[in-house]
Amino acid sequence: NAGVMQNPRHLVRRRGQEARLRCSPMKGHSHVYWYRQLPEEGLKFMVYLQKENIIDESGMPKERFSAEFPKEGPSILRIQQVVRGDSAAYFCASSMGLASPLHFGNGTRLTVT
Amino acid sequence: KQEVTQIPAALSVPEGENLVLNCSFTDSAIYNLQWFRQDPGKGLTSLLLIQSSQREQTSGRLNASLDKSSGRSTLYIAASQPGDSATYLCAVRDGGSQGNLIFGKGTKLSVKP
Repeated sequence: NAGVMQNPRHLVRRRGQEARLRCSPMKGHSHVYWYRQLPEEGLKFMVYLQKENIIDESGMPKERFSAEFPKEGPSILRIQQVVRGDSAAYFCASSMGLASPLHFGNGTRLTVT
Repeated sequence: KQEVTQIPAALSVPEGENLVLNCSFTDSAIYNLQWFRQDPGKGLTSLLLIQSSQREQTSGRLNASLDKSSGRSTLYIAASQPGDSATYLCAVRDGGSQGNLIFGKGTKLSVKP
C-alpha cells in the first residue's frame, strides 16, 4: 500500500520559470493538503482540496500560485514566474476525512536560482 | 486565529531516559490533534492521533495525552533510544478553518548513546 507520492523530489528552476509539483494521495484518500516549509521555520498551510474542489486556499499567495486536484490524476501545485523566495520544501498530505490522520509525502525541494 | 506552541524548542537527553514534550494551542475548538516526527531532509511520519473526545493514545513507547479545555497535549517517550532523535511536531486540526492542520514549530530531540 503505497504512501503519499510526491515528485519530483528535487526541482531546480531559474527565476521567472514555472514549477509544477505533483502529489498522488494514498489509495482511498480524497482529501489533499499542501504545506510549505522554509528553512528553520514551521510548516505553513497553503491549500486544502477535495476531488475537483478547492475547500480552503487561505494560505496560498494571491498571485502566481495555484492548485488543482482533478477527478483523474494527481494533485498539482503550480508556481508561475518563480522567485528566489519560493525556494522551500513543499509537502503534500492526504487523508480520508476530517477525523482521519494526515499522511505526508517526502516533499519536493524547490530551489530557485 | 489558532496558534500552536511547542516547548522546549530543543532537548538533549542520554539514552534510556523518559521524556515529555509539550504542546499548547490557543483555541480549544479542534477536531483532533496529531503528533509527527520529522527526520532531517525527510517528510513527516505520523505517530499518534487523538480525537477531541479522547484523553490519550498509546503506541509502543509513545503516549500522547490531550486536555482540550486547557489547550494542552503532551507526548511521553519511554526509555528513549538514539533512533528517537528527530524533530517532533504537534499539529491541531482546527475546527474554525475548514479543518486545516496547524503546526507548532517542533521540538528537536537528540538522544545521546
